[in-house]
Amino acid sequence: GENVEQHPSTLSVQEGDSAVIKCTYSDSASNYFPWYKQELGKGPQLIIDIRSNVGEKKDQRIAVTLNKTAKHFSLHITETQPEDSAVYFCAATYGNQFYFGTGTSLTVIP
Amino acid sequence: NAGVTQTPKFQVLKTGQSMTLQCAQDMNHEYMSWYRQDPGMGLRLIHYSVGAGITDQGEVPNGYNVSRSTTEDFPLRLLSAAPSQTSVYFCASSYGGPVVSSYNSPLHFGNGTRLTVT
Repeated sequence: GENVEQHPSTLSVQEGDSAVIKCTYSDSASNYFPWYKQELGKGPQLIIDIRSNVGEKKDQRIAVTLNKTAKHFSLHITETQPEDSAVYFCAATYGNQFYFGTGTSLTVIP
Repeated sequence: NAGVTQTPKFQVLKTGQSMTLQCAQDMNHEYMSWYRQDPGMGLRLIHYSVGAGITDQGEVPNGYNVSRSTTEDFPLRLLSAAPSQTSVYFCASSYGGPVVSSYNSPLHFGNGTRLTVT
């Protein structure tokens, strides 16, 4: 199967600064990499995803980059706001399964 | 459009009791799955299904059973609850079609069931 590692486990930034969360995966056959945001008491929600034939994708303040050679992908949040505070999970798919990282708790300090 | 609905939201069981966690989706998704979320361990796959009548094991299947008699429903059964099964359980679905293609589209999650086994 796949093994996804995620760093850091906690991250605090000042409002307006950027936040970066990094993930690595083990199997080069993985080809789809979604990112999820989980707010307290709720299920994870997709915020952005990238497929293996794309190197970078942006959606307003959020971007994801993928380096297939190094087998790592990163989430970038610019101009952070207090409502960005949540737990973020990366994932990779292999076969019929999604494999998740262990999560990053992001706190944006006003 | 309700998406993925999980019931109950909270449940307390005594060791050895059985129960079923319900999951229903109204998006006509072929792929459905169950995860457990424990502190520091992310989301771990328990069981999944690529269509009605088809189920398979994930990373942590022991102590859990599933069945998929309809496209909409995917219940998770605990036959004899243990304290190690105390966790938050999430059901998730994805558009897949008759051929496995879950990697083509993201998972849609329910809001979870918080289970405590004493």
